[in-house]
Amino acid sequence: DAGVTQSPTHLIKTRGQHVTLRCSPISGHKSVSWYQQVLGQGPQFIFQYYEKEERGRGNFPDRFSARQFPNYSSELNVNALLLGDSALYLCASSLASREAFFGQGTRLTVV
Amino acid sequence: GIQVEQSPPDLILQEGANSTLRCNFSDSVNNLQWFHQNPWGQLINLFYIPSGTKQNGRLSATTVATERYSLLYISSSQTTDSGVYFCAVDRSSARQLTFGSGTQLTVLP
Repeated sequence: DAGVTQSPTHLIKTRGQHVTLRCSPISGHKSVSWYQQVLGQGPQFIFQYYEKEERGRGNFPDRFSARQFPNYSSELNVNALLLGDSALYLCASSLASREAFFGQGTRLTVV
Repeated sequence: GIQVEQSPPDLILQEGANSTLRCNFSDSVNNLQWFHQNPWGQLINLFYIPSGTKQNGRLSATTVATERYSLLYISSSQTTDSGVYFCAVDRSSARQLTFGSGTQLTVLP
């Protein structure tokens, strides 16, 4: 079975631009969560979606948004990119209340 | 929110040595996971261990939920064990994890 897949793997954007990151969960997993990991720190929770509804949001500005589709895949959108948005963006999926499994991440560089 | 502290922040070992990594958390949790982050950024699941003890090869973990800490043991370390080890917790499920700042492990040949 395929694990959590994220695309693209790397991305370079200019300040002020918009970016869309994509995530496909493990088959059968209905919960998708997004995390941001800046260099030298642990991942920080951004959003959680379950059954296409937002179930949790971390301390991130409104420039960050997400959605989940009927097939449980998800998109993370970031508007008006800042240099500080440069990070590794991780997606995780989980089944019910069990352990989370992470994708390989998307490394975003804002220049 | 819940606080997670990991120690030590950095650990350098010779190949073959044993090590213990610690994770303290500030509130009761229903989910605790240990991860190994490889150099490419991938988080590899090591243990799902909200309580009790588990073993997987050279690795084992113990969580004492009543005292709010977890330990990860690595025996006979190998150079491939190098990387960052994270502890992550959630009060309810595995969906909104709070991570510690990690332990950077370097195993020298």
